[in-house]
Amino acid sequence: DQQVKQNSPSLSVQEGRISILNCDYTNSMFDYFLWYKKYPAEGPTFLISISSIKDKNEDGRFTVFLNKSAKHLSLHIVPSQPGDSAVYFCAASVVYNFNKFYFGSGTKLNVKP
Amino acid sequence: DGGITQSPKYLFRKEGQNVTLSCEQNLNHDAMYWYRQDPGQGLRLIYYSQIVNDFQKGDIAEGYSVSREKKESFPLTVTSAQKNPTAFYLCASTKRSGVYNEQFFGPGTRLTVL
Repeated sequence: DQQVKQNSPSLSVQEGRISILNCDYTNSMFDYFLWYKKYPAEGPTFLISISSIKDKNEDGRFTVFLNKSAKHLSLHIVPSQPGDSAVYFCAASVVYNFNKFYFGSGTKLNVKP
Repeated sequence: DGGITQSPKYLFRKEGQNVTLSCEQNLNHDAMYWYRQDPGQGLRLIYYSQIVNDFQKGDIAEGYSVSREKKESFPLTVTSAQKNPTAFYLCASTKRSGVYNEQFFGPGTRLTVL
């Protein structure tokens, strides 16, 4: 039973426009959410995170929004750049049980020049 | 530079053979993890370890074994009992201090069974 879901396997966006990647979760105990970026044949790299006490966290071109009532989070990339083309994974955890992170299946973003 | 190293990057194995994937970290992290990634799928947890000499099964531990004799090292053995071992394997670690901790990942090992 997948507790973190990314329902869009791919997304294509024009350079300079906004990319919006979505993630849904089912476990209401999750209180820490992360986004990772992954290039082929490499390990994921941490991008941005948000705790459940916030509904928005911003870092440069990347903003993560959390809607706890809908159990939904999204990653906004503005403006999108060709170098952003990668697979993006969302992940969730319960802080007191930091050992387990639950990952979505990933969304492949293609930013066209 | 601190980080996680995995070796080798590519590994080929004949059916019926055991193979061990290496994972070393110099981040002084307490917890270490092994994940498996298959095409079009997310990361699935195989094993994790919170401290030396202790480890727990993840969601897909069958056919795998681990050891944690040193804080820096968490090798994964893929045994002949693993029915479909061809995959991309990722090692990760997390520090225990602080409240919110992200996982740091190694570069991965692609295992192919011939």
